[in-house]
Amino acid sequence: QKEVEQNSGPLSVPEGAIASLNCTYSDRGSQSFFWYRQYSGKSPELIMFIYSNGDKEDGRFTAQLNKASQYVSLLIRDSQPSDSATYLCAVQGDSGYALNFGKGTSLLVTP
Amino acid sequence: SQTIHQWPATLVQPVGSPLSLECTVEGTSNPNLYWYRQAAGRGLQLLFYSVGIGQISSEVPQNLSASRPQDRQFILSSKKLLLSDSGFYLCAWSGTDLNEKLFFGSGTQLSVL
Repeated sequence: QKEVEQNSGPLSVPEGAIASLNCTYSDRGSQSFFWYRQYSGKSPELIMFIYSNGDKEDGRFTAQLNKASQYVSLLIRDSQPSDSATYLCAVQGDSGYALNFGKGTSLLVTP
Repeated sequence: SQTIHQWPATLVQPVGSPLSLECTVEGTSNPNLYWYRQAAGRGLQLLFYSVGIGQISSEVPQNLSASRPQDRQFILSSKKLLLSDSGFYLCAWSGTDLNEKLFFGSGTQLSVL
């Protein structure tokens, strides 16, 4: 079973700050990486995906990938209370189709 | 646009009772389909995935089964539920290429009592 590790948190940041969420994975052959946001009692929602080393920006979100270090991160700029949720890191699994998920990091943005 | 429907939203079942959860996808053809379970305090666990009608891959040995009777329909079943089957069940779909993004349905919260 390929591992995807995340700090469970909670990570608490003040409104307007940058939230930094981290994820490591065990399978050096993984090709695709995803970040999902999950509000309590709701299903996960895709917010970012990245396939190549480096940074990928979309609005207030930036995904960073370092395949050599087997490390993926998500930065949320100008954090808002509505960003308070659990953030799931997901990595391509053995099948090449299904994703392996970390247990998620709980983020709390305080006003 | 593509949409995924999953029902029911919540379900309370006694131990030993059968289970049937259904998921349908609209707006796409021949999607890959997935069942995941999220138990309290645990991550998303892949249960089954399907790349076509009648094609089911099982990831975790358990008393659950899945079927895909039609291209855009995916069903999760059990003949006799266990307490340990409680959790949040999520259906998802993706395109057929490798490294595709997964999109989830709204989920079913199952409580086995």
